[in-house]
Amino acid sequence: EVQLVESGGGLVQPGGSLRLSCVGSGFIINSYEMNWVRRAPGKGLEWLSYISRSGNIQDYADSVKGRFTVSRDNAKNTLFLQMDGLRVDDTAVYFCTRDRPGGTTTPFDLWGQGARVTVSS
Amino acid sequence: SYELTQPPSVSVSPGQTARITCSGDALSKKYAYWYHLRSGQAPVLVIHEDIKRPSGIPERFSGSSSGTMATLTISGAQVEDEGDYYCYSTDSSSDQRVFGGGTKLTVL
Repeated sequence: EVQLVESGGGLVQPGGSLRLSCVGSGFIINSYEMNWVRRAPGKGLEWLSYISRSGNIQDYADSVKGRFTVSRDNAKNTLFLQMDGLRVDDTAVYFCTRDRPGGTTTPFDLWGQGARVTVSS
Repeated sequence: SYELTQPPSVSVSPGQTARITCSGDALSKKYAYWYHLRSGQAPVLVIHEDIKRPSGIPERFSGSSSGTMATLTISGAQVEDEGDYYCYSTDSSSDQRVFGGGTKLTVL
């Protein structure tokens, strides 16, 4: 089955760190550009970060730039999101998603079920 | 910053047609994409490039775009179509990636 599975969520204090992982199965992750998207309680979806197939290009939303770092280990079919300096308003469900390549790249054609992150003292 | 605007909620009876709109200045130049979120489930892409339906998505889902507005139409909505729908696109000048605020669809 083609799927993405996130892990690493949990409860962390403000100022703390967490590292999310996302493992792809049923497909080879290095053929796809990847993203992280989150949904905070009572709010909508927010795109957070992008990483190219090789990992040499990253892009971030202003809300997380300088605090979050996206990376990937293609040999392990895994995407990561290192989250430092966490704030209460980073509380959300975090989704990893892939972009399907083609004549026109299709953004977020496959999603994981999400990892819940709670930032609270 | 670039914004996409959706109605907060749409409600229809089973079998009726649900229409969800998404407005944004760059939609006349950029494609719209639509995603369906149900609580506890992975989000699903239901329409891409304004009008294309991925394999596995029921034919009752269709998309259209005119000027600065994209529309998701569910013809003969079913109870299982309930949930939140988000449009997505990018700004034509900055490539800023943006989701709309989301629309809660109720079918009852």
